Amino acid sequence: GAVVSQHPSRVICKSGTSVKIECRSLDFQATTMFWYRQFPKQSLMLMATSNEGSKATYEQGVEKDKFLINHASLTLSTLTVTSAHPEDSSFYICSAREWENYGYTFGSGTRLTVV
Amino acid sequence: GENVGLHLPTLSVQEGDNSIINCAYSNSASDYFIWYKQESGKGPQFIIDIRSNMDKRQGQRVTVLLNKTVKHLSLQIAATQPGDSAVYFCAETIGNQFYFGTGTSLTVIP
Repeated sequence: GAVVSQHPSRVICKSGTSVKIECRSLDFQATTMFWYRQFPKQSLMLMATSNEGSKATYEQGVEKDKFLINHASLTLSTLTVTSAHPEDSSFYICSAREWENYGYTFGSGTRLTVV
Repeated sequence: GENVGLHLPTLSVQEGDNSIINCAYSNSASDYFIWYKQESGKGPQFIIDIRSNMDKRQGQRVTVLLNKTVKHLSLQIAATQPGDSAVYFCAETIGNQFYFGTGTSLTVIP
């Protein structure tokens, strides 16, 4: 089946620095990818939808200048958390949807800790 | 989006019993539904799906029931095992839009 690889799985960074998270579809082309944020004991919160070759669509309340999303190819989307602060510490998860296929496959998530 | 950030409801079952996890969805135009399992510290994993033209689908130890009249989805797990302990999310899709339900935390008591 479809596989989505997310890297890194864990990252600790200093406050004020930027962190990049990668999401790759390994055996299919993903025209659409999604980025989620999840707090402990809560559901996944959709942050943004990225479409290959065009700008990402951000959900209400998500700062596009803080959470930069790039989907430059059909197999790679990146989320960059800029000028990270401790409140950005969370579990970030990506998902990808194969072209003309309803299936949504999730990455393994990235635990970001900002100190 | 239609995300919610509520704390998860919980369900505890005895090992070997059957589990039923329920989900109410919001949009009558939703055409595809998916159940995911999320273990601690991991991303959601696909369990089973069902299209809106069906009302029941069975997998290995799992069954999904869809009641479009009341917009209700359920996941039944037969002979629940300790490895089934996780958070279970339903998801509905409308075209390219994808929405998660609030999720249910399942704990299996040995």
